[in-house]
Amino acid sequence: KQEVTQIPAALSVPEGENLVLNCSFTDSAIYNLQWFRQDPGKGLTSLLLIQSSQREQTSGRLNASLDKSSGRSTLYIAASQPGDSATYLCAVRREYSGYALNFGKGTSLLVTP
Amino acid sequence: GAVVSQHPSRVICKSGTSVKIECRSLDFQATTMFWYRQFPKQSLMLMATSNEGSKATYEQGVEKDKFLINHASLTLSTLTVTSAHPEDSSFYICSAQEGPQYEQYFGPGTRLTVT
Repeated sequence: KQEVTQIPAALSVPEGENLVLNCSFTDSAIYNLQWFRQDPGKGLTSLLLIQSSQREQTSGRLNASLDKSSGRSTLYIAASQPGDSATYLCAVRREYSGYALNFGKGTSLLVTP
Repeated sequence: GAVVSQHPSRVICKSGTSVKIECRSLDFQATTMFWYRQFPKQSLMLMATSNEGSKATYEQGVEKDKFLINHASLTLSTLTVTSAHPEDSSFYICSAQEGPQYEQYFGPGTRLTVT
């Protein structure tokens, strides 16, 4: 069974800092990996999607890397802003059973002014 | 990106009643839809996978007679929580995809409170 772990569970940083969120998964048979953002009481916003054959994806201040063989991904946020405060979820997509997503528990990020 | 809607966004019902949640893909045809639930400060847990025109596949531990899923068209799936109890209170989120290897798009979620 695929297990997805995110470290740290919570993080508080001052505005302007660069930060790294970590995600690990136990089964390397993944189709792709996706990072989401979730604001309190809201749905999911897709940030970056990395296919299993890719090593990284970038969008603005966000950069996500994937090391499939070691079962790890990182989300790098440059020059953090208070508006980045949210929960960040990592999800891996199965290669079987309809390609459903397995989610980690998330990292709750607070960026203080 | 593609748009998935859910209705209602919030619902409060009394214990013992049933409630239906709709998930619609607005600008694409979804051969597969997924239903997740999320408890406070927890991650999303997959409940079931629904393919258009066939019976849903439920994850281990999810009661199929309690959580009825119907995917009768390529743009609509419904989740009915039957005989709801307070422990069913949760945030329910659906997602949809055009095909097995297409990106999943998520709905905004439905907050269910059972009193």
